[in-house]
Amino acid sequence: ILNVEQSPQSLHVQEGDSTNFTCSFPSSNFYALHWYRWETAKSPEALFVMTLNGDEKKKGRISATLNTKEGYSYLYIKGSQPEDSATYLCAFRVWNFNKFYFGSGTKLNVKP
Amino acid sequence: EAGVTQFPSHSVIEKGQTVTLRCDPISGHDNLYWYRRVMGKEIKFLLHFVKESKQDESGMPNNRFLAERTGGTYSTLKVQPAELEDSGVYFCASSQAGPPYGYTFGSGTRLTVV
Repeated sequence: ILNVEQSPQSLHVQEGDSTNFTCSFPSSNFYALHWYRWETAKSPEALFVMTLNGDEKKKGRISATLNTKEGYSYLYIKGSQPEDSATYLCAFRVWNFNKFYFGSGTKLNVKP
Repeated sequence: EAGVTQFPSHSVIEKGQTVTLRCDPISGHDNLYWYRRVMGKEIKFLLHFVKESKQDESGMPNNRFLAERTGGTYSTLKVQPAELEDSGVYFCASSQAGPPYGYTFGSGTRLTVV
């Protein structure tokens, strides 16, 4: 069983605040790290797929970094907006296997 | 392109009853996955189809769960008989064949067993 841990479990911020979350995963047999954004009753939405150590990806106000040697990824949101409120999930993929190992998510609540 | 469709979106059943969840993947996606999120915990893998064949069913909790994928198209997940601990959100996802791309998820079926 592979453990993927996300922290914090939940986060409450004010509109305009910048925030970041952590995803920790095993550093061996790494293949890919995926970030998803999930609103209840909707489909998880793919944000980033990260495969190379040192990868940095950006999509609007959201960015992510990857360190495969130490086994962590950070997700940053700059200038949080109420519409950013959601659960952010990371999923780790092992070499040669198709299934994902998910973290339990970070639930973000952005207050207007 | 239509996304991954799951039906029903919600189901409330009594303990001991049977429920069947359905997933229609994106057309042309050979890979189909079932995952489950229970009580705010992490989303856990249940099984993986490649076309109509079960590639990996290591995550299926017990023999009360039966998954099928008729003709490599849609898939069903049957829980019989349902227990209280089966409550959760059941996600289906699909992906293209070849190098592991990210999944496209459905919106899930929220199952409540009372």
